[in-house]
Amino acid sequence: SQELEQSPQSLIVQEGKNLTINCTSSKTLYGLYWYKQKYGEGLIFLMMLQKGGEEKSHEKITAKLDEKKQQSSLHITASQPSHAGIYLCGAGPMNRDDKIIFGKGTRLHILP
Amino acid sequence: DTGVSQNPRHKITKRGQNVTFRCDPISEHNRLYWYRQTLGQGPEFLTYFQNEAQLEKSRLLSDRFSAERPKGSFSTLEIQRTEQGDSAMYLCASSRVGQSMETQYFGPGTRLLVL
Repeated sequence: SQELEQSPQSLIVQEGKNLTINCTSSKTLYGLYWYKQKYGEGLIFLMMLQKGGEEKSHEKITAKLDEKKQQSSLHITASQPSHAGIYLCGAGPMNRDDKIIFGKGTRLHILP
Repeated sequence: DTGVSQNPRHKITKRGQNVTFRCDPISEHNRLYWYRQTLGQGPEFLTYFQNEAQLEKSRLLSDRFSAERPKGSFSTLEIQRTEQGDSAMYLCASSRVGQSMETQYFGPGTRLLVL
């Protein structure tokens, strides 16, 4: 079965600094989701990447998909306290009739 | 678009009791998913519906678990004879089937604590 490994498991950065979170799949990635979760709450959709080499940005968050390496990265520029939370990557379904397989998440703390 | 809603948000129960959770998806979404998330882990798939048909169930979904989506709108997840290991966040998501990879939108979750 497919597994996703996220690194680092947790991250503490000073406000204003840049950071990167990585997600590596054990199998071919047909697509990749990034979600954010605040502690004890539901998941907020950030971005979906479907093609190798695809890169998407939303505000200060950029995500890329490297199909060959079976990896995705999420980069935050000039981090803010509002960026704190758990970032989850999820492998998209091989076909449309399937579930998302999630990594364990990266816990991000922002120091003021 | 009011988003996915779940009720209750929190549930505390004693071992052996039955509990039922409700999920109301985004109105035009025909797919509805249930996931379970334990502390320090990512969400794990339990089951999903397309309209009223339950199309897949995970091995995580023991005989004590049952899910329904009777009219293809809201869904319920029932756990019978709860065990302490059932304590988790239960997440519902919905999506609309289309031509490409679908985006699943999640609700706020129901946090279950079994004493």
